[in-house]
Amino acid sequence: AQSVTQLGSHVSVSEGALVLLRCNYSSSVPPYLFWYVQYPNQGLQLLLKYTTGATLVKGINGFEAEFKKSETSFHLTKPSAHMSDAAEYFCAVSFMNTGFQKLVFGTGTRLLVSP
Amino acid sequence: NAGVMQNPRHLVRRRGQEARLRCSPVKGHSHVYWYRQLPEEGLKFMVYLQKENIIDESGMPKERFSAEFPKEGPSILRIQQVVRGDSAAYFCASSPASTETQYFGPGTRLLVL
Repeated sequence: AQSVTQLGSHVSVSEGALVLLRCNYSSSVPPYLFWYVQYPNQGLQLLLKYTTGATLVKGINGFEAEFKKSETSFHLTKPSAHMSDAAEYFCAVSFMNTGFQKLVFGTGTRLLVSP
Repeated sequence: NAGVMQNPRHLVRRRGQEARLRCSPVKGHSHVYWYRQLPEEGLKFMVYLQKENIIDESGMPKERFSAEFPKEGPSILRIQQVVRGDSAAYFCASSPASTETQYFGPGTRLLVL
C-alpha cells in the first residue's frame, strides 16, 4: 500500500533561517507528489507539485522541493523563513493507476517561526 | 472567480442526529472529492464523485455515510446518526478533470456532543 511519512510533527526555525520539511513515500509505481499548506481554520492551498520532468520544482512563496527517486523523498525547502510561513504543511502523493488523483496525505508538519 | 465553497463552516450535532455538509465546486469543475481530517492527523480520502455518479467510495465508512453530487446544486456529504468519533474537519475538493489538480475548500468542522 502506498503511504507518506513526514518526519517531525513540529519544526521550529528562526525568521530568516532555512526551512526543511521532510517527506518520504513508499510506492511500487512512480507517484505524483504534492505539498499543500494549511493556515488555521482554512482549507489546503497547493504550494507545488511534481508530475514528470525536472525533479526540482519551484512553488509559491519561495518554496521548492526536489524529487529524489533513489531516496523516495520529496523534501520541501525555503532558503529564508518568514513569519507568515507559520502553518501546517502536508505532503501528498497520488497514483494514476486508480484512474484519478486519489491523494494520500502525510500526517502533517507544523512549522513554527520565531522572531 | 469563486473557489470551492463549503457550508456550514462549523456544525454542532448531538449523538444520533444527522449532519449534512455541502460543497459547491469551482465553477466549471465537475469532479468532487471529499476528505476527512481527524484531530492531529492528515487528510484521508473518502469519496470521489462526478455529476450524478459515485466513482470511488473506497474511503467511506460502510454505514451511516453517503454522498451525492446531483446534476444541479452542490455535492452533499450526509452522516446519519452521528457519533462522537465523527467529530472531524471534512474537506471538499474539486477539479476540472480527474487528472487535474484538486482545489480545496475551507472545510466544515463537525463537532458531535
